[in-house]
Amino acid sequence: LAKTTQPISMDSYEGQEVNITCSHNNIATNDYITWYQQFPSQGPRFIIQGYKTKVTNEVASLFIPADRKSSTLSLPRVSLSDTAVYYCLVDNQGGKLIFGQGTELSVKP
Amino acid sequence: EAGVAQSPRYKIIEKRQSVAFWCNPISGHATLYWYQQILGQGPKLLIQFQNNGVVDDSQLPKDRFSAERLKGVDSTLKIQPAKLEDSAVYLCASSMGTDNTGELFFGEGSRLTVL
Repeated sequence: LAKTTQPISMDSYEGQEVNITCSHNNIATNDYITWYQQFPSQGPRFIIQGYKTKVTNEVASLFIPADRKSSTLSLPRVSLSDTAVYYCLVDNQGGKLIFGQGTELSVKP
Repeated sequence: EAGVAQSPRYKIIEKRQSVAFWCNPISGHATLYWYQQILGQGPKLLIQFQNNGVVDDSQLPKDRFSAERLKGVDSTLKIQPAKLEDSAVYLCASSMGTDNTGELFFGEGSRLTVL
């Protein structure tokens, strides 16, 4: 199973760019990398998904190096409302989506 | 478009009692998931359905948990009898595809407290 490792927590200030890195050393050839965001008392919400290089949408960017053993979620100019837990997932070959502990991002004024 | 609907939002029971949670996925979504999220942890997959068949239930405690998805649409998750350690949020999610490369849409969850 492709396991992911990410920092337990991060702090930032409003207006800063935040980069959260996830390690997935055992990623398989067919695996995709997906990030979810979860606010308290809500279910996780899809942010972005990628396979290689760079993916950008209206919310975030996802950077994946050539070896695909890690990925970085980049949140530009965060606001207080970006305070949440961010999960990195790798779709393993069994098709089972496994959530790790996630990274608790705290954005301060 | 309506999202994933779950009920009840909150439930408090005593240990050894039973409880059932209901999920209505987004219309047309083939795959449905039940996750258990204990406070401070990430969601843990309990069971995955594809249409009305079970794809994965390897982490479902089958001595007390059961789930069904009748006609490939709504799903029910039951716990009987409940234990203290079952206190958690039970999240239902659905996705359009069947290969897990698509987006999962989660409901708001059902929070269970077992006393």
